[in-house]
Amino acid sequence: NAGVTQTPKFQVLKTGQSMTLQCAQDMNHNSMYWYRQDPGMGLRLIYYSASEGTTDKGEVPNGYNVSRLNKREFSLRLESAAPSQTSVYFCASSGHHSNQPQHFGDGTRLSIL
Amino acid sequence: QKEVEQNSGPLSVPEGAIASLNCTYSDRVSQSFFWYRQYSGKSPELIMSIYSNGDKEDGRFTAQLNKASQYVSLLIRDSQPSDSATYLCAVILGSGGGADGLTFGKGTHLIIQP
Repeated sequence: NAGVTQTPKFQVLKTGQSMTLQCAQDMNHNSMYWYRQDPGMGLRLIYYSASEGTTDKGEVPNGYNVSRLNKREFSLRLESAAPSQTSVYFCASSGHHSNQPQHFGDGTRLSIL
Repeated sequence: QKEVEQNSGPLSVPEGAIASLNCTYSDRVSQSFFWYRQYSGKSPELIMSIYSNGDKEDGRFTAQLNKASQYVSLLIRDSQPSDSATYLCAVILGSGGGADGLTFGKGTHLIIQP
């Protein structure tokens, strides 16, 4: 019973490098989300996908791109990493009905040097 | 600006007592409210969801919602040391669907003293 799986769990990058954070869910959920969590800032929405084939910006989308590869997978890409993107990144998913709670993956701890 | 506010704490409660966690939100038309628990270094874990005014009970947890006052709370009865964590209030702001994402408060750090 995996739920939401994120890879990698930890990553260190140099400024200017690129990488993709992977997320997959096995709950047949329609909606998927990417958040970042920073000390003193709480969790903030980066991008979301209401359904396969659609993506929309959240509160803090600058510097990120996303791809909803299929119903199960939603990836987050940093094209040119900056130290300000050092954070813990969480992927979440929720069911078809609009007010369903979101279920979170274990997170990716990303450091940009 | 649409916001969710929580007292950051720490809130210290003796073991066996009732812990009361509070949250206010700015958007009057919000309909969906959630409490998550987050242990240090771990991901948020859903505890309760509440959509209607009044109380909702699940084991030792009770969520309370007052839409007129734009206020949601979480009570933890018979607090245990294992309840020590950060509790996140999350709201789907506005009347729209959950696909708009959750807006989180910054969390209240709860410490249960043995």
